[in-house]
Amino acid sequence: GAVVSQHPSRVICKSGTSVKIECRSLDFQATTMFWYRQFPKQSLMLMATSNEGSKATYEQGVEKDKFLINHASLTLSTLTVTSAHPEDSSFYICSARDTGRWDNQPQHFGDGTRLSIL
Amino acid sequence: DAKTTQPPSMDCAEGRAANLPCNHSTISGNEYVYWYRQIHSQGPQYIIHGLKNNETNEMASLIITEDRKSSTLILPHATLRDTAVYYCIVPRFFGNEKLTFGTGTRLTIIP
Repeated sequence: GAVVSQHPSRVICKSGTSVKIECRSLDFQATTMFWYRQFPKQSLMLMATSNEGSKATYEQGVEKDKFLINHASLTLSTLTVTSAHPEDSSFYICSARDTGRWDNQPQHFGDGTRLSIL
Repeated sequence: DAKTTQPPSMDCAEGRAANLPCNHSTISGNEYVYWYRQIHSQGPQYIIHGLKNNETNEMASLIITEDRKSSTLILPHATLRDTAVYYCIVPRFFGNEKLTFGTGTRLTIIP
């Protein structure tokens, strides 16, 4: 079945550093990938839509200069949290769908990245 | 996305069938119903989806009412590993469109 790999699974770093999270579709191609954020005891909130070869689309209230998204190939999207601060600590999750299939395949999710900013 | 309503929590005895309801009264004719679950500290896991016919796979069964305004996810023989938050989602357009997660149903399987 469709597999989405997310790396790293956990990151702990100092305030002010930038952190890059990778999302890969391992056995399918995806022209669109999605990035979510989840705070403790809350549901997933969509941050942005990553579009292969073009700019990402950000949800209202999400700073595009803070959360840089690059989707340079059909199997890889990256999210960079720039100048991270403690309030950016969260569980970041990506999803993707096989866009090469004609039928309505579901989104599949990575295992998430737990980001802790000290 | 069509709005969905789920009970906040449910308990089910291990080995019994778990029946999780979802209301989606504003669903449109071409919109699918998707079910996902999230086990603690993991990414959501796809379970099943359907349009109007009942569906079954190795994980669960999905029963959609004839008017499509509600559905029920059935886990036929619940195990402790099925303890998770279950989300019923009706995306505006199937497939590529983003998913909007509500609060879901927290299912606890009781030994």
